[in-house]
Amino acid sequence: AQSVTQLDSHVSVSEGTPVLLRCNYSSSYSPSLFWYVQHPNKGLQLLLKYTSAATLVKGINGFEAEFKKSETSFHLTKPSAHMSDAAEYFCVVSEGSSFGNEKLTFGTGTRLTIIP
Amino acid sequence: NAGVTQTPKFQVLKTGQSMTLQCAQDMNHEYMSWYRQDPGMGLRLIHYSVGAGITDQGEVPNGYNVSRSTTEDFPLRLLSAAPSQTSVYFCASSYGVHSPLHFGNGTRLTVT
Repeated sequence: AQSVTQLDSHVSVSEGTPVLLRCNYSSSYSPSLFWYVQHPNKGLQLLLKYTSAATLVKGINGFEAEFKKSETSFHLTKPSAHMSDAAEYFCVVSEGSSFGNEKLTFGTGTRLTIIP
Repeated sequence: NAGVTQTPKFQVLKTGQSMTLQCAQDMNHEYMSWYRQDPGMGLRLIHYSVGAGITDQGEVPNGYNVSRSTTEDFPLRLLSAAPSQTSVYFCASSYGVHSPLHFGNGTRLTVT
């Protein structure tokens, strides 16, 4: 069975400083991994995805994540936080090779606060 | 390009009432799904569909029905609302295997 753990429910950083949001996963197969962002009163939007190509994945708005199989981690980073990055972030793991077997498991989310 | 459209945005129901949450997408996606979002629990899958005429249960299907008569629409029906169904509901669609989900803006439902 797959699972995903977001290690911090809330992260606060100052504007202009680096962001690190941590995600660990467990999966029986080679998973696909995603990060989604949710701004207040909005649906989730894809930031980036890993699907067994390059282990360092670049996403939108300057975010990137590194897939580390040995550590079963997929942490999200950004070199310099911006006020507009304040939102909730979800790590998602996907298993299965075809529809009907596809299973997505969402983490419980990390709320990112940016301090001016 | 509207993407995924959910209606209504807000709804208040009394216990025992029924209602339908609407979801429509204009991207010709085969896969559509409904999630509920509760504080501290992430998103949980209620029902999903891999194409018109095909639906299946997710993690938390009890108390909900779905149908998929067209590619575009995927309504979620609450048969007899209960306070435990107070939540934010999201509809999502995607193109194919391992494809990213496109989400609607959600319906905030309160059952009193």
